[in-house]
Amino acid sequence: QKEVEQDPGPLSVPEGAIVSLNCTYSNSAFQYFMWYRQYSRKGPELLMYTYSSGNKEDGRFTAQVDKSSKYISLFIRDSQPSDSATYLCAMMGQGGSEKLVFGKGTKLTVNP
Amino acid sequence: NAGVMQNPRHLVRRRGQEARLRCSPMKGHSHVYWYRQLPEEGLKFMVYLQKENIIDESGMPKERFSAEFPKEGPSILRIQQVVRGDSAAYFCASSPRAGFQETQYFGPGTRLLVL
Repeated sequence: QKEVEQDPGPLSVPEGAIVSLNCTYSNSAFQYFMWYRQYSRKGPELLMYTYSSGNKEDGRFTAQVDKSSKYISLFIRDSQPSDSATYLCAMMGQGGSEKLVFGKGTKLTVNP
Repeated sequence: NAGVMQNPRHLVRRRGQEARLRCSPMKGHSHVYWYRQLPEEGLKFMVYLQKENIIDESGMPKERFSAEFPKEGPSILRIQQVVRGDSAAYFCASSPRAGFQETQYFGPGTRLLVL
């Protein structure tokens, strides 16, 4: 079983739709959870990060973490064509290593 | 305020040659991380360095790969005797301090193609 599982999609939605992106993980040591956005041929850009369980909102983006289920989500409201990108979840534990463990990424297309 | 810089952006090598990838962290950042992204795969951690020290190289292949972050100058990821399977995008990230709560900022990547 991989440490982080993420459906690669692709996911195609109309402009204005609510998008739900998800990852599951197996390592209960993970404490920090991030979402990165990666445009084609570019480096990942941090969108949101949360510590432990709970919700965090930033504009049209909401990140949720459910540690009991080992499940994290990113919601995008009122999606725009400019949101078309690959979304990567990433996690980090408290074991003393600073490495991020990434999901494979979900490719999202928002159609105008 | 320049972000993380990587060069070259694209690198073509023939099998058996050496590849050198450079990463200049953001100003004020002394922690550097290298990740590799194979086609259709997520990013995989390779190595974590501070100035003049390798902190965690658990993701580095045991042979042909090495990394350094000297006191002066950029961090270098070196791949000797490249093979076709080394073709990938290599990303560098930097952070200002150690700690799992510190954000890692990524560079644009170097795309290595081995012919």
